[in-house]
Amino acid sequence: NAGVTQTPKFQVLKTGQSMTLQCAQDMNHNSMYWYRQDPGMGLRLIYYSASEGTTDKGEVPNGYNVSRLNKREFSLRLESAAPSQTSVYFCASSENFLGGQGYNYGYTFGSGTRLTVV
Amino acid sequence: AQKVTQAQTEISVVEKEDVTLDCVYETRDTTYYLFWYKQPPSGELVFLIRRNSFDEQNEISGRYSWNFQKSTSSFNFTITASQVVDSAVYFCALSEASGNTPLVFGKGTRLSVIA
Repeated sequence: NAGVTQTPKFQVLKTGQSMTLQCAQDMNHNSMYWYRQDPGMGLRLIYYSASEGTTDKGEVPNGYNVSRLNKREFSLRLESAAPSQTSVYFCASSENFLGGQGYNYGYTFGSGTRLTVV
Repeated sequence: AQKVTQAQTEISVVEKEDVTLDCVYETRDTTYYLFWYKQPPSGELVFLIRRNSFDEQNEISGRYSWNFQKSTSSFNFTITASQVVDSAVYFCALSEASGNTPLVFGKGTRLSVIA
């Protein structure tokens, strides 16, 4: 039961290089998300996909593109990396939940990708 | 628009002290969900609790308790008899629908428990 898997876990890029962060979930969730975490800023939404075939911008989409490849996979692409994109990136997925706690927490997060752009 | 405010940036306590982490939220929806996550130094996000807007009962789980007050739009988190292992960043978050909309996070509170 892997949950949400992000690759890579660490990456160092030079300014101007491109790369794709991969995210896959095996829980048959409809919705997937990309967040970035910067010190003192909490987690901010970059893009999300409410269902296969749809994507929407979040709070900080500039400099990023996303692809919802299928229901399982949601990738984040940096076309021309900048030092301001140095951050920890989290992918998450979610499903409908109703009522009380149960075992259905709703949102599952990957372990994060630490990206440094030099 | 949704907003979550965690006014306490950093808190430092001595082991065995009680500590309360504050969370204030804003939303226009009548149905919403509130969450607390823990992020230990290892970096992963650990789910702690989800609370529905229509259930204002306080929750207790071991040393953890949560006080939800719709009248003040607050969802505060108390750790009783804190331990060094409680040292982490704690995030409060809000979603305005049952699972298919993004979570909106507060900026987090860094808790340091000193032995």
